[in-house]
Amino acid sequence: KAGVTQTPRYLIKTRGQQVTLSCSPISGHRSVSWYQQTPGQGLQFLFEYFSETQRNKGNFPGRFSGRQFSNSRSEMNVSTLELGDSALYLCASSPAWAEAYGYTFGSGTRLTVV
Amino acid sequence: QQPVQSPQAVILREGEDAVINCSSSKALYSVHWYRQKHGEAPVFLMILLKGGEQKGHDKISASFNEKKQQSSLYLTASQLSYSGTYFCGTGLWANNNAGNMLTFGGGTRLMVKP
Repeated sequence: KAGVTQTPRYLIKTRGQQVTLSCSPISGHRSVSWYQQTPGQGLQFLFEYFSETQRNKGNFPGRFSGRQFSNSRSEMNVSTLELGDSALYLCASSPAWAEAYGYTFGSGTRLTVV
Repeated sequence: QQPVQSPQAVILREGEDAVINCSSSKALYSVHWYRQKHGEAPVFLMILLKGGEQKGHDKISASFNEKKQQSSLYLTASQLSYSGTYFCGTGLWANNNAGNMLTFGGGTRLMVKP
């Protein structure tokens, strides 16, 4: 059974640019969540999608957005990149409710903003 | 509000035991434990649900004290492979758009030496 696939693995962008990250969840999993991981802040929740609908959103500025497609694949977009956006972005898939089932994480996309 | 983990770091010799604690100020539905090795994705260890029993497999087990909203992860007879950062994730059962997510603690770095 394939795991959670995130692309690309590494990304270097310049301040002001925008970036799109992709996540393919485990087959059959309908919930996709995104987290930002930094040494100082740990794992911070960005948003969660289920059946193409955003069900929950963390405390991040509107520059961070996402969407989910009918095949459960999800994308995350960050516009007008700032140096502070440098982080590991993790995608996590779950069959339904994370509280009950937990997550399977992807390997992440390491974003560096210069 | 994120759960509080203690200790922040622990160094063990192979064969020694360790306990990692996770404490929340909120009424929890579930507690999840993950281990992350350097440069890798967090890997699911176990989930403890409200009203459930203590979980365990092999030499790693965990408990959930619902009265205190605390969970503990027990690692016995530690092996080199146990090294990594351990995170607890807490779930609040919310029948609204505030749910469907886990909030993670700051992590506990565990190093097992030969």
